[in-house]
Amino acid sequence: DTEVTQTPKHLVMGMTNKKSLKCEQHMGHRAMYWYKQKAKKPPELMFVYSYEKLSINESVPSRFSPECPNSSLLNLHLHALQPEDSALYLCASSHDRAEAFFGQGTRLTVV
Amino acid sequence: QKEVEQNSGPLSVPEGAIASLNCTYSDRGSQSFFWYRQYSGKSPELIMFIYSNGDKEDGRFTAQLNKASQYVSLLIRDSQPSDSATYLCAVRRGGNKLTFGTGTQLKVEL
Repeated sequence: DTEVTQTPKHLVMGMTNKKSLKCEQHMGHRAMYWYKQKAKKPPELMFVYSYEKLSINESVPSRFSPECPNSSLLNLHLHALQPEDSALYLCASSHDRAEAFFGQGTRLTVV
Repeated sequence: QKEVEQNSGPLSVPEGAIASLNCTYSDRGSQSFFWYRQYSGKSPELIMFIYSNGDKEDGRFTAQLNKASQYVSLLIRDSQPSDSATYLCAVRRGGNKLTFGTGTQLKVEL
């Protein structure tokens, strides 16, 4: 089983809203990732959690706030987003330094 | 210089032919290499990974790594229309930072 589950699949939010993206895996992976992908561009790394601690923050604006409540869950809290933040948000997980498996993504539209 | 470079394509090959996708990387400390396939509107799907110099085969797919030349490739034999997608090369230096190339669009024509 190489399943990473992301919810919701689609999200439309206003610029004053607060919302959260959720990601879950039960593969025992201890590294979890958030990527952002714009159309016709490669995935762009945002955050990495390793053993439930934030290990990489790629200078992401503070309106994006990650959280790793336990080894199976990863959240991305969104607040005061801009229309240019509209993108596909991808969660991935891996064993430490190994191949990463992606969830199906959340298609986010900011209006 | 970009960390991971790929020709954006499109690369067009006839059905049944071999498709050859190439990727170069700039950091000599890179340790592991991955190929993902991404259909339009979908998430990346892991196809192959390779850690050591040489070839690694899995079904119709062969990954090739040459660390001296900082070059990794993916060969797809007997290409099918269902192989039409964007192929992303990804490189990990160490730790958990996985960096992607811009991807190569492959079109397999009937």
